[in-house]
Amino acid sequence: AQKVTQAQTEISVVEKEDVTLDCVYETRDTTYYLFWYKQPPSGELVFLIRRNSFDEQNEISGRYSWNFQKSTSSFNFTITASQVVDSAVYFCALSEARSNFGNEKLTFGTGTRLTIIP
Amino acid sequence: NAGVTQTPKFRVLKTGQSMTLLCAQDMNHEYMYWYRQDPGMGLRLIHYSVGEGTTAKGEVPDGYNVSRLKKQNFLLGLESAAPSQTSVYFCASSYSTPGESGEQYFGPGTRLTVT
Repeated sequence: AQKVTQAQTEISVVEKEDVTLDCVYETRDTTYYLFWYKQPPSGELVFLIRRNSFDEQNEISGRYSWNFQKSTSSFNFTITASQVVDSAVYFCALSEARSNFGNEKLTFGTGTRLTIIP
Repeated sequence: NAGVTQTPKFRVLKTGQSMTLLCAQDMNHEYMYWYRQDPGMGLRLIHYSVGEGTTAKGEVPDGYNVSRLKKQNFLLGLESAAPSQTSVYFCASSYSTPGESGEQYFGPGTRLTVT
């Protein structure tokens, strides 16, 4: 069974500080996908990134960066120079693409509530 | 494109009442999903569908039924609502490619309270 653990329930940082959100996953498959979603106070879920298990390159998108390490089963998310608009709940998720039909089930972590203090 | 839409946005039910939540997507996605979100538990999959006319159980299917009569619509039914079904319900859809896993696009959510 697959599992995603986000051990940090809540994090608060002062604006402009860097912050890293941790994500640790468990899966028996060699082929899988990892995702990060953002849920701002308005409630919708916003897709941030998808990464497959064969691509361990780190990714950077503006102030956001992701560090994927298969050796430690982690997919951590860093926000550089945080801003108040980054305040949200962030979810890490895992999908095992075992079947010929592709994506079937997404397992979410319990989320990390990030508060940026002005 | 409207993306994924959900109807209604809010609903209050009394224990034992029934209702249907409607999800619609205009992206021609094959896959559709229903999740519930409860405090401290993240999102949990209730049911999903890999195509028109097909449905399958997710992690927490008890007390819910679903139907996918049209590709663009995915209905979630509660036959006899219970207070434990008080939650925020999200619908999502995604494309399907053999061997791949696409990102899921989420609707705005439905906040359901059962008293």
